[in-house]
Amino acid sequence: AQSVTQPDIHITVSEGASLELRCNYSYGATPYLFWYVQSPGQGLQLLLKYFSGDTLVQGIKGFEAEFKRSQSSFNLRKPSVHWSDAAEYFCAVGSNSKLTFGTGTRLQVTL
Amino acid sequence: KAGVTQTPRYLIKTRGQQVTLSCSPISGHRSVSWYQQTPGQGLQFLFEYFSETQRNKGNFPGRFSGRQFSNSRSEMNVSTLELGDSALYLCASSVQGATNEKLFFGSGTQLSVL
Repeated sequence: AQSVTQPDIHITVSEGASLELRCNYSYGATPYLFWYVQSPGQGLQLLLKYFSGDTLVQGIKGFEAEFKRSQSSFNLRKPSVHWSDAAEYFCAVGSNSKLTFGTGTRLQVTL
Repeated sequence: KAGVTQTPRYLIKTRGQQVTLSCSPISGHRSVSWYQQTPGQGLQFLFEYFSETQRNKGNFPGRFSGRQFSNSRSEMNVSTLELGDSALYLCASSVQGATNEKLFFGSGTQLSVL
């Protein structure tokens, strides 16, 4: 069965600093990988997704993620964080029309 | 286009009662999925409907059920509520429900079971 691990429960970064959120997955075949973001009291919004091809994918809001098959990782990055990026971030692996989510990483941004 | 609409936004019930939650997908979307979000278990898949048929089901007891109407609107029902059913229930829609499709999520229904 597929699974997703986000080892960091909570991360604090200063505004303008770079960000990397870690995600490791377990899946038998080529995975469908996603990053979603959830602001307080809101549903989830897709940041980016990977299915095949270029292992570096660009998403919305200046985010990017790199798929590394050898490390079973799909880490999310942003070169310069804005205060509005404070939210909870979920990595997910998809199969059979359903998503299996990690436990999420809460990002706090200090000014 | 209007987004995914979930009603009600908040709900308080007592143990043993039943509850029905509603989800209106984005116009043109035929797939509706439901997820339960709790602090302890995180986001867990409940089920997915496409063209009024349940295509996939998560690992939840039979007290959790759903249906989809011909206009793609969906409802989920939880019978004999337990304290552990307190959660944010999220609905998501997509055009075909393919694994590689973007899911559009509603803001959820916050259910509290007392």
